[in-house]
Amino acid sequence: NAGVTQTPKFQVLKTGQSMTLQCAQDMNHEYMSWYRQDPGMGLRLIHYSVGAGITDQGEVPNGYNVSRSTTEDFPLRLLSAAPSQTSVYFCASSSEQGHTNTGELFFGEGSRLTVL
Amino acid sequence: GEDVEQSLFLSVREGDSSVINCTYTDSSSTYLYWYKQEPGAGLQLLTYIFSNMDMKQDQRLTVLLNKKDKHLSLRIADTQTGDSAIYFCAESFSGTYKYIFGTGTRLKVLA
Repeated sequence: NAGVTQTPKFQVLKTGQSMTLQCAQDMNHEYMSWYRQDPGMGLRLIHYSVGAGITDQGEVPNGYNVSRSTTEDFPLRLLSAAPSQTSVYFCASSSEQGHTNTGELFFGEGSRLTVL
Repeated sequence: GEDVEQSLFLSVREGDSSVINCTYTDSSSTYLYWYKQEPGAGLQLLTYIFSNMDMKQDQRLTVLLNKKDKHLSLRIADTQTGDSAIYFCAESFSGTYKYIFGTGTRLKVLA
């Protein structure tokens, strides 16, 4: 299984440019999410989705948009990139916690974004 | 508010035991996890413990959960250089997709 696949792995943008980070999972997970990881700050939740057509904001949503048209895909859009968005971005997915399911989050390999 | 705290750094010598600690504020969690992040990679689940357990052992890993003190620890026996990574504790809550992560502890293993 591929698990959670993110593209691109690396990207350099100029201030004001827009771009989309792609995320796809092949585990039929209802839940998908985007985090950013910055030194000393751990993981911060940007946006999440509990199913196709349903998205919600996390802790740091400003400057980012998401959509969930299919179960598999959850792209993250940067509308007008700023240097403060320089970070490593992780997509993660899970299925609902239950008696036989620990609710483990499965992570992609990350997308390293630099905004000049 | 809800918070999960970890120390930022830990350095140990190869062959010694490592103990990584985590404290949390929300005790209604169902599962508590330890994730490992190797350089340049994503997070991978290392082990987990159900909230009604006190201890879980898995080969070189021992997880201790003290619910009274809201304290979770991960002990790695016979630490190897390949254990050098960032370790995150996290908790999740039944009936929700809510996860709370700690800031991560960077473990450095000295040869």
